[in-house]
Amino acid sequence: AQSVTQPDIHITVSEGASLELRCNYSYGATPYLFWYVQSPGQGLQLLLKYFSGDTLVQGIKGFEAEFKRSQSSFNLRKPSVHWSDAAEYFCAVARGDTGFQKLVFGTGTRLLVSP
Amino acid sequence: EAQVTQNPRYLITVTGKKLTVTCSQNMNHEYMSWYRQDPGLGLRQIYYSMNVEVTDKGDVPEGYKVSRKEKRNFPLILESPSPNQTSLYFCASSLWGGSNEKLFFGSGTQLSVL
Repeated sequence: AQSVTQPDIHITVSEGASLELRCNYSYGATPYLFWYVQSPGQGLQLLLKYFSGDTLVQGIKGFEAEFKRSQSSFNLRKPSVHWSDAAEYFCAVARGDTGFQKLVFGTGTRLLVSP
Repeated sequence: EAQVTQNPRYLITVTGKKLTVTCSQNMNHEYMSWYRQDPGLGLRQIYYSMNVEVTDKGDVPEGYKVSRKEKRNFPLILESPSPNQTSLYFCASSLWGGSNEKLFFGSGTQLSVL
């Protein structure tokens, strides 16, 4: 069965520093991968998605993610973090056994930004 | 403005008292889904619907019901709520639920069952 692991529950980054959030997935075929962000008191918003092609995908708000099949990873990166990036970040994989009608979410990583 | 609207935002109830959380989208989306979010568990899917009168179970459907009588509405029904259903609930929609569609989320409903 498909699963998603986000090994870091919390990460603290200084404003202006670079960021990398880790995501590992378990899926037999080519996965369909997503990163969502949840700001406090809000619903989730899609940052970026990967289906095929270039393994480095660009998203909104200056985020990017790289798909590495050999490592079963889809890590999210940002070169310079802003205080407004403080939020919870969820990696997700679309379940192929359901015709991609379902998403499996990771448990999330909470990003704290220090001044 | 394109949006998914959930009501209420906050709800406190007692065990066994039936309740409904409403969800409405104004984007003519075919696919709608309910998730619950619990600390340390992320989001887990409760039910989803591919279109009017077409619904299916997600990963944690026990204790919940849904209906899809109109395309825009997808209410979540708890017929006999229990304390383990205390959670943050999200409704989401997408154009047709395929692999290349992003989900649009509502702002959430925080439910407490005493």
